[in-house]
Amino acid sequence: GAVVSQHPSWVICKSGTSVKIECRSLDFQATTMFWYRQFPKQSLMLMATSNEGSKATYEQGVEKDKFLINHASLTLSTLTVTSAHPEDSSFYICSAPRTGWSSYEQYFGPGTRLTVT
Amino acid sequence: GENVEQHPSTLSVQEGDSAVIKCTYSDSASNYFPWYKQELGKRPQLIIDIRSNVGEKKDQRIAVTLNKTAKHFSLHITETQPEDSAVYFCAASRSGYALNFGKGTSLLVTP
Repeated sequence: GAVVSQHPSWVICKSGTSVKIECRSLDFQATTMFWYRQFPKQSLMLMATSNEGSKATYEQGVEKDKFLINHASLTLSTLTVTSAHPEDSSFYICSAPRTGWSSYEQYFGPGTRLTVT
Repeated sequence: GENVEQHPSTLSVQEGDSAVIKCTYSDSASNYFPWYKQELGKRPQLIIDIRSNVGEKKDQRIAVTLNKTAKHFSLHITETQPEDSAVYFCAASRSGYALNFGKGTSLLVTP
């Protein structure tokens, strides 16, 4: 099966600092990756669509200058939370469909637990 | 955009009984409807999915039905076991697009 990894799996940072989260497709190419955020006891909410070689598309209400997304290769997308605040504490999960496959399935990373103190 | 409604938010059943979770969607262009099981702190795990050209799909104790006309789809779990206890999410999307998730159903199976 297709494997997506995320790094780090958890991170604690101080308010005002920046944190970078990596999402990698290990055994397939992904021209598109999706970033979701999940608060405790809530559903997954799409934050942005990451496109290889072009600008990300952000959902309404998601600040593009705060959540910087870079998709520089067919296997790596990064999400940088800039000037993090406690309200950014959440579970961040990426997913990707296989590029070039007919399968509709998306493959999820294991998630990154961010705690901002 | 797509809006997915999921009911119930909590469901408690006795071991061996069946559980049914229902979802509705709004975008008639959606053509992919997966169901996920998520345990605390873990990634969503795909348990079954269905495409819009199929009305029903079954995998052992799990089945999904889709009514495109009414824009609703349901998850059926038979002979429930305590290890089925988890949060279940439905989702809808167009192929290659992001998933739109329901709010989730917390299923508790009591022995």
